[in-house]
Amino acid sequence: SQQGEEDPQALSIQEGENATMNCSYKTSINNLQWYRQNSGRGLVHLILIRSNEREKHSGRLRVTLDTSKKSSSLLITASRAADTASYFCATAGYNTDKLIFGTGTRLQVFP
Amino acid sequence: EAGVVQSPRYKIIEKKQPVAFWCNPISGHNTLYWYRQNLGQGPELLIRYENEEAVDDSQLPKDRFSAERLKGVDSTLKIQPAELGDSAVYLCASSSGETQYFGPGTRLLVL
Repeated sequence: SQQGEEDPQALSIQEGENATMNCSYKTSINNLQWYRQNSGRGLVHLILIRSNEREKHSGRLRVTLDTSKKSSSLLITASRAADTASYFCATAGYNTDKLIFGTGTRLQVFP
Repeated sequence: EAGVVQSPRYKIIEKKQPVAFWCNPISGHNTLYWYRQNLGQGPELLIRYENEEAVDDSQLPKDRFSAERLKGVDSTLKIQPAELGDSAVYLCASSSGETQYFGPGTRLLVL
């Protein structure tokens, strides 16, 4: 069973616009991670945020975490056509490195 | 540094036939994972190895699926006999910490 639900399921934007994806989960977590998956390829790790962190940045990526609402968001600023991919959140519990993935958001960035 | 290698990339078989997938993890990574990803969904863990020991195989359908990781390096995942519902992408990942590194996956189609 999958822990995370992502919203929206699909998102289409123009290059240069910002893209925001949301992830909700059900149980307590140690950390939450975001991965990107290009069509027909494996997943690539983007960023990890721990349960005691509220916000984290990496390049054009900004991740927030609200443990009281059991939700996280991924913001991609100044999007590029190369950002077109599916984005997944994944949660890890305490004392385990087992990841439980969400259902993903399919992002399409038009040039 | 080479990434996680999987073969074959694609496999088409008829139902009731056996099939095997192979994974070579990143050198030095003690933890190896097999995931199944159905169309439009996030990956779901099938089995996790710490060196050669399977430490979490609770989601592995043991009546038809088997896996091994000889000498704690390469791993094989086998399905015998395959069913129509086994059509999916089978992903292998490895890690030495909290971040998992994924291979490109094997896309299986069962006819």
